[in-house]
Amino acid sequence: QVQLVQSGPELKKPGSSVKVSCKASGDTFSSFPFTWVRQAPGQGLEWVGGIIPITASTKYAQNFQDRVTITADESTNTVYMDLTSLRIDDTAVYYCARGFQNDFWNGYYLGESWGQGTLVTVSS
Amino acid sequence: EIVLTQSPGILSLSPGERATLSCRASHSVRTNYLAWYQQMPGQAPRLVIFGASSRATGIPDRFSGSGFGTDFTLTISRLEPEDFAVYYCQQYDNGSTFGQGTKVEIK
Repeated sequence: QVQLVQSGPELKKPGSSVKVSCKASGDTFSSFPFTWVRQAPGQGLEWVGGIIPITASTKYAQNFQDRVTITADESTNTVYMDLTSLRIDDTAVYYCARGFQNDFWNGYYLGESWGQGTLVTVSS
Repeated sequence: EIVLTQSPGILSLSPGERATLSCRASHSVRTNYLAWYQQMPGQAPRLVIFGASSRATGIPDRFSGSGFGTDFTLTISRLEPEDFAVYYCQQYDNGSTFGQGTKVEIK
């Protein structure tokens, strides 16, 4: 059973950036896709974007197209989500999730195993 | 963008009863790229159904998914105490969007 361990909570100012990490256990990191989903306080789920580490191919939600970058470091089995120009309404729990092995078509979107979530608070 | 509308917003049922959750899409979801997630308070979501009708690993067979095109359903045949949660549908045919959720609460 894979374990996804995310970095700790963040408190950021409007206009700044945040980088959230997600470290996966196991030794078949590159053959799995990863996705990021966020959840504002008391609200529903929102897809942010996804990555296929073996190709470094990414897809992003249109709402975040210009502000988010998702990367993967195969040497440390870690996926990162970098969100810039933070706004108050970016305050949310950010989840990373791993998809199905070798699912390089839908893997950007589906989450089979999930991290514990990282609370990002944007406040002046 | 495909908008997903879930109904009802809240479903009040007793353990042992059948739960039927609806997810309606604004445009057809081709190839049934539709998933359902369960979320307990304070926890990460858990994948229940993918491909409209395939159960994820470890999901009991009292959960079933059905539908095609614009109308999809998640059915829980007999509610167990651990099934009371919020359920979200997700389409991944055209980018990805989630429905607003249905809360299944104990009556």
